[in-house]
Amino acid sequence: AQTVTQSQPEMSVQEAETVTLSCTYDTSESNYYLFWYKQPPSRQMILVIRQEAYKQQNATENRFSVNFQKAAKSFSLKISDSQLGDTAMYFCAFSMAGGAGNMLTFGGGTRLMVKP
Amino acid sequence: KAGVTQTPRYLIKTRGQQVTLSCSPISGHRSVSWYQQTPGQGLQFLFEYFSETQRNKGNFPGRFSGRQFSNSRSEMNVSTLELGDSALYLCASSLGGTLSSYEQYFGPGTRLTVT
Repeated sequence: AQTVTQSQPEMSVQEAETVTLSCTYDTSESNYYLFWYKQPPSRQMILVIRQEAYKQQNATENRFSVNFQKAAKSFSLKISDSQLGDTAMYFCAFSMAGGAGNMLTFGGGTRLMVKP
Repeated sequence: KAGVTQTPRYLIKTRGQQVTLSCSPISGHRSVSWYQQTPGQGLQFLFEYFSETQRNKGNFPGRFSGRQFSNSRSEMNVSTLELGDSALYLCASSLGGTLSSYEQYFGPGTRLTVT
């Protein structure tokens, strides 16, 4: 079974600064995907960024980037130039690949507050 | 493209009753997954349906069941409701086929309160 751990329950950052959210996972699989999802207060969960385990290059989406360390089973999210709209719960999630179907295993989440 | 829709958005039920929640996936998506979100347990996987077949199942009692229709719409049912079933139930859809990138797109959720 896979486990995902987010060790920072809450974080805060000043607007325009950079913040890094941590995530570690445990799996014996070699082929998998990792995701960061954002859930704003009382709003819908949206996908922020995706990383395929077989790709060494770290994924980037505008102000969001990841640091994927496969050997260390670490998958952190960096948010640059933080904006007030980034205030949300952030969930790290794991999915096996290769025909196993769709089943996300989530971490406990990190509540991020962006302060003006 | 329209996103994932869930109905109803809010529901209040009494202990012992049963409830059915509905989810319409993004057009073209054949996989629908259900998750339960609670403050104590976080986000937990319930089950996944692909082409009308349950493909994965989480660790929930048999009171939780689901089904998927030929148009990929899905329903989940909870029988004999307990107070602990109070939660936000999220539905997510994805392509689900061999070319799937395993990205799941979530609906707004159904907030179930059991009294």
